[in-house]
This record gives sequence, structure tokens and C-alpha cells, in this order.
Amino acid sequence: GQQLNQSPQSMFIQEGEDVSMNCTSSSIFNTWLWYKQDPGEGPVLLIALYKAGELTSNGRLTAQFGITRKDSFLNISASIPSDVGIYFCAGQASGGSNYKLTFGKGTLLTVNP
Amino acid sequence: DAGVIQSPRHEVTEMGQEVTLRCKPISGHNSLFWYRQTMMRGLELLIYFNNNVPIDDSGMPEDRFSAKMPNASFSTLKIQPSEPRDSAVYFCASSPTGRVLAFFGQGTRLTVV
Repeated sequence: GQQLNQSPQSMFIQEGEDVSMNCTSSSIFNTWLWYKQDPGEGPVLLIALYKAGELTSNGRLTAQFGITRKDSFLNISASIPSDVGIYFCAGQASGGSNYKLTFGKGTLLTVNP
Repeated sequence: DAGVIQSPRHEVTEMGQEVTLRCKPISGHNSLFWYRQTMMRGLELLIYFNNNVPIDDSGMPEDRFSAKMPNASFSTLKIQPSEPRDSAVYFCASSPTGRVLAFFGQGTRLTVV
């Protein structure tokens, strides 16, 4: 099946720092999604990307759909303690089922106040 | 607006018992998904319904697992008999038809002892 490589696996940063994480795939994706999961909760959709090169912001979050359609990144600016959680990328592969999402393994973000 | 509602939030059961997980999707969403999340395997799609019809159940681990969607506002995932290796967090998600998205519920944490 499809594989998404998400990196880094974990990050420890100081409050106020910027954060960047990314997902890569060996195959082309039509859609990239970024989710955040807090402990004991379900993943919450942060940003959805549908076109190669698309750059979308949601507050302090910015995500881009890579030109090659094989990668995406998520940036968080001026991190705050409530940014702590696990961030997942997810994608829908080109040529695959139009409903099936492949998820990355997640990036665990810790923000020190 | 109410999101995806799952019940129970936590379930502890003995091996061999039947377990039923419940889900109410977001009103107006025609697609419903059941996912399982474990540390080892991450988020895995178990089954996908569109307009109450099961479209893809290839992710259902074995015959002990079954899912139904009797109407647009309710779905169940049943495990009978349950085994310790079924312990995981089970998520229900819904999406409007035609959109490659998933809006997740809060999940059911299942522990089989």
C-alpha cells in the first residue's frame, strides 16, 4: 500500500520558536491534509490542500502542497504551549480510491514554556 | 454544530465478550469511516460507507469484526468475540460526499483483558 514518511518523529522546542515538519511519498498524491491530535481526543483537521504548489494558512499555521505532488510541509510560527500534540499528515494517492486516506506516523511536538 | 459523536468513550471488556461501538456522523455527511489507531500501526482504515452502503471493508481484520449503517445518522462496529489484540482506539469519521476529508470523533478506547 501507499507509504507516507513523516519527519521528524518528535520535536522539543521553546515557546516562541517556529516549527517545521514534512511528509514525503514515493508516489503522487492528489490531496494533502494536516491534522492535530491532542491526548485522548480524535484528530482535528487543520489544513486541506488540493493543488500542487498551493500554500494555505490557518492562523499561525502554514502548509504547502509540494510541486512534485510527492510532499507537503507544515510550519507553525511563534509556538505556544497549546501547540503541544501529535501532528499527522494524510494524503489521497493519485490513481487510488477517491476516499482512502493514507496517514503518516505523526510528529510529536513538545513546547517548553 | 455537533461533530461526530462516538460512544462509549472507554470500554473495558473480557476476552471473548462482544463489544459494540457506536457512531453518529455529522448531519449531511454521506461518507462514514471506521479507523483503528495503535502505536505500532498508526491509523488504519477498517471500513468505508457511502450513503449507508459498505463500499470498502478490506481493512476489517477478520470475521470477528462487523459494521453496519442502518441509516444516515448511525453506525456500529461490533467485535465478537473480542481478543486482547483488539485493544486500540477506534475512531469514526465522516465526510461530505465528493470531498477527500475526514472529520473524526473523539474515539473509543477499547481494552480487552
